[in-house]
Amino acid sequence: KNQVEQSPQSLIILEGKNCTLQCNYTVSPFSNLRWYKQDTGRGPVSLTIMTFSENTKSNGRYTATLDADTKQSSLHITASQLSDSASYICVVSFEASGGSYIPTFGRGTSLIVHP
Amino acid sequence: IAGITQAPTSQILAAGRRMTLRCTQDMRHNAMYWYRQDLGLGLRLIHYSNTAGTTGKGEVPDGYSVSRANTDDFPLTLASAVPSQTSVYFCASSTASMYNEQFFGPGTRLTVL
Repeated sequence: KNQVEQSPQSLIILEGKNCTLQCNYTVSPFSNLRWYKQDTGRGPVSLTIMTFSENTKSNGRYTATLDADTKQSSLHITASQLSDSASYICVVSFEASGGSYIPTFGRGTSLIVHP
Repeated sequence: IAGITQAPTSQILAAGRRMTLRCTQDMRHNAMYWYRQDLGLGLRLIHYSNTAGTTGKGEVPDGYSVSRANTDDFPLTLASAVPSQTSVYFCASSTASMYNEQFFGPGTRLTVL
C-alpha cells in the first residue's frame, strides 16, 4: 500500500531558528515528491517539487532534499519567521494506469513559530 | 474568476439531505480532484478526473459521486449526507503531467447534523 509518513507531527520553534521536517514514503512507482505549505483555513500551496533524479531543491528559505534509494525526503527551513507557522505536507505521486499521476498525501507537520 | 473557486464556503446540513459542492477552475487544467481534510488525518482523495468525461475513485469514495461534463467544473454530490461526512472539502486542479502541481481552492466547511 502506498503510504507517506511525516515526522514530527508537530513542532514549536523560536523565531529565527532553523528546523527540519521529515518524510518517508513507500509510494511506487515513484513519479515526483512535493512539499506543500498549508496556512490555517486555506488550501495547500506548493513549495518545491523533486523528481527521481533530483536530490535537492530550494525555494527561498525552504530547502528540500530527496534520497530516492532510502525513500526519504526532508524540508529544511532556515531563519524561521512567524509567517512560517503552518502545516507542511509531503506529497508523493505515482504513475497509475492510463498515464495519470495520483498523489498520496502525508498527514503533515504542524509548525508553530513563536516570537 | 482567477484560479479555482469553491461554493459554498460553509454549510450546515441535516443528515439524509442531498448536497452538491461546486468547484470551478479557469486554468484549463485537465485533471481535477476532491479531497476531504479531517483533523489528524490529513488530506484524503475522494474522487478525481483526468479529463472531461472521465472520473475515478480515490481513497474514500463511498457516499460521494462526481461528474465532469466539461473542463472547468467538477461538482461533488453527497446523495444522502451522514454525520461522518462532516469535514473540510478541498477541490484541486492540475495539468495531467508528471509535474502535476495541484492548485487548491479555498475549501468548503461542511457540517452534517
